[in-house]
Amino acid sequence: DGGITQSPKYLFRKEGQNVTLSCEQNLNHDAMYWYRQDPGQGLRLIYYSQIVNDFQKGDIAEGYSVSREKKESFPLTVTSAQKNPTAFYLCASKRTGGASYNEQFFGPGTRLTVL
Amino acid sequence: ELKVEQNPLFLSMQEGKNYTIYCNYSTTSDRLYWYRQDPGKSLESLFVLLSNGAVKQEGRLMASLDTKARLSTLHITAAVHDLSATYFCAVGDYTGTASKLTFGTGTRLQVTL
Repeated sequence: DGGITQSPKYLFRKEGQNVTLSCEQNLNHDAMYWYRQDPGQGLRLIYYSQIVNDFQKGDIAEGYSVSREKKESFPLTVTSAQKNPTAFYLCASKRTGGASYNEQFFGPGTRLTVL
Repeated sequence: ELKVEQNPLFLSMQEGKNYTIYCNYSTTSDRLYWYRQDPGKSLESLFVLLSNGAVKQEGRLMASLDTKARLSTLHITAAVHDLSATYFCAVGDYTGTASKLTFGTGTRLQVTL
């Protein structure tokens, strides 16, 4: 089955720790995205990548880092510089070839809590 | 900077009633998306609207797009409890070759018996 997987589902972080959230897709999509969702809020874009080895900052990139070494994978690291990281993190991907209107498909999410 | 506003933010409605959710956006775009999110879950794509006057329907939900007014609506007909969820609109934002979405704050719909 094609889809987007995120792991872990729940993650607990101590203050001062860096943690990495995994996002993998087997849809052969070129573009991948990371969003943050706070309770009762919409989604805010952290980072996105249109192709391998290239990525751009979104609206709230401070305190986060990403890499895109493989087309299938787009891990997000939440660094200790992110002062309020407790949130629900969603990864998405999108096909860029052909029609430009292709919608983004979302993974199941990772819920990160700072202890 | 593209801004997307939804209203209402919260909607409680009885089963069988009709209602409309509104999505306004601040800059020109001809691509608008509607998503549904159940509590604690991810987002599910509902509709992709690509041009002025576009209308899409699926079951009791119908979405439309007016690019001149920068407005999209999601109309709910004869609501049922299963429609209870949060609904997000998202507007396509294109800079150079980069394509991303800007989301509204969401409308939490609660359908009561």
